[in-house]
Amino acid sequence: AQSVSQHNHHVILSEAASLELGCNYSYGGTVNLFWYVQYPGQHLQLLLKYFSGDPLVKGIKGFEAEFIKSKFSFNLRKPSVQWSDTAEYFCAVNALDSSYKLIFGSGTRLLVRP
Amino acid sequence: SAVISQKPSRDICQRGTSLTIQCQVDSQVTMMFWYRQQPGQSLTLIATANQGSEATYESGFVIDKFPISRPNLTFSTLTVSNMSPEDSSIYLCSVETGKKTGELFFGEGSRLTVL
Repeated sequence: AQSVSQHNHHVILSEAASLELGCNYSYGGTVNLFWYVQYPGQHLQLLLKYFSGDPLVKGIKGFEAEFIKSKFSFNLRKPSVQWSDTAEYFCAVNALDSSYKLIFGSGTRLLVRP
Repeated sequence: SAVISQKPSRDICQRGTSLTIQCQVDSQVTMMFWYRQQPGQSLTLIATANQGSEATYESGFVIDKFPISRPNLTFSTLTVSNMSPEDSSIYLCSVETGKKTGELFFGEGSRLTVL
């Protein structure tokens, strides 16, 4: 069965610090990969996605993620975080033979201190 | 994009009762999913709501506990039956974008507290 692991459950950073959140998945076939974000009091929204092509994808608000197939990883990065990036971040994987179901990681709570 | 409305947005219920959550989408969609987000945890897929047929449940979820209806391509309901405090959670309706990529849009969720 597919699974998604996010190793950082809580991250605290100061503004302007760099961010990297780890995401690994277990599935040997072709996958689509996503990062979703949930700001306090808001619903889940898509941050970025990878389907194919350039393994370095850019999303909204200066976020990017790199797909490394050999490592089954899709880590999220941002060079300089802002206080407004305080949120919970979820990595999610869709195996292309799974009827479009998304499997989510456990999430990472990011707190950015001003 | 799709706009998803869920009702109720929150509720407090007594143990042993049942609650039905409604999900309305502003456009016709093929794939609708129901997720649960328990306090401090990630999203777990409950079932895929199939239009015109029985829902497809994930391991650990059964129809008797979580009956789902999908009468048309814009609406679905999830009932949480015979509730216990362990059912306290956020229940989320989501729809696939139609591009068959797994990308989902989410509603704001229904926060359920069972006393």
